[in-house]
Amino acid sequence: GNSVTQMEGPVTLSEEAFLTINCTYTATGYPSLFWYVQYPGEGLQLLLKATKADDKGSNKGFEATYRKETTSFHLEKGSVQVSDSAVYFCALNLNQGGKLIFGQGTELSVKP
Amino acid sequence: DTEVTQTPKHLVMGMTNKKSLKCEQHMGHRAMYWYKQKAKKPPELMFVYSYEKLSINESVPSRFSPECPNSSLLNLHLHALQPEDSALYLCASSQVTGMNTEAFFGQGTRLTVV
Repeated sequence: GNSVTQMEGPVTLSEEAFLTINCTYTATGYPSLFWYVQYPGEGLQLLLKATKADDKGSNKGFEATYRKETTSFHLEKGSVQVSDSAVYFCALNLNQGGKLIFGQGTELSVKP
Repeated sequence: DTEVTQTPKHLVMGMTNKKSLKCEQHMGHRAMYWYKQKAKKPPELMFVYSYEKLSINESVPSRFSPECPNSSLLNLHLHALQPEDSALYLCASSQVTGMNTEAFFGQGTRLTVV
């Protein structure tokens, strides 16, 4: 079946550290890929997206590249801030009526 | 305006109550969604409306009844819920239901069933 696997959290980093959150997917077709972020007590916000192989999505210093050969969409940021503390969800869309398939989420905690 | 507005933000209801959750967007989106999210879990799709017609029902119990009165509004009517239905209910919208379109989420309604 179609699924998304993310690295388990929580991930704890010091401010200005480099961040990688791994995301791999299994899909029967060629999905669009998304990263969403959920701050405590809030809904989800779209962080970035990529719609085809080798596309790079970027926003607010975060980047992710759609790697078809490794079925991956890892999230990276060069220097995290305390304000980046949140839960990050990787998701795919296979054009099944708009349904998003989410990974389990990775909680990030950034310490000053 | 890129907002999806949900009301109320918090709701406590008894198992015999009837209540409704409301969602509104003014982005001209023609697809709207209800998701349910339990603590420390990803959102789970419940319903999809496309052009005001119900297009997906993910085998949701009938105690949850969605309604889309017009292209800007989405309601979720609740009746005879169980304590295990306590969760964050998220509304989302997108331009259409295609795979490249972005979904915009509201802040959610935190529901507690007592």
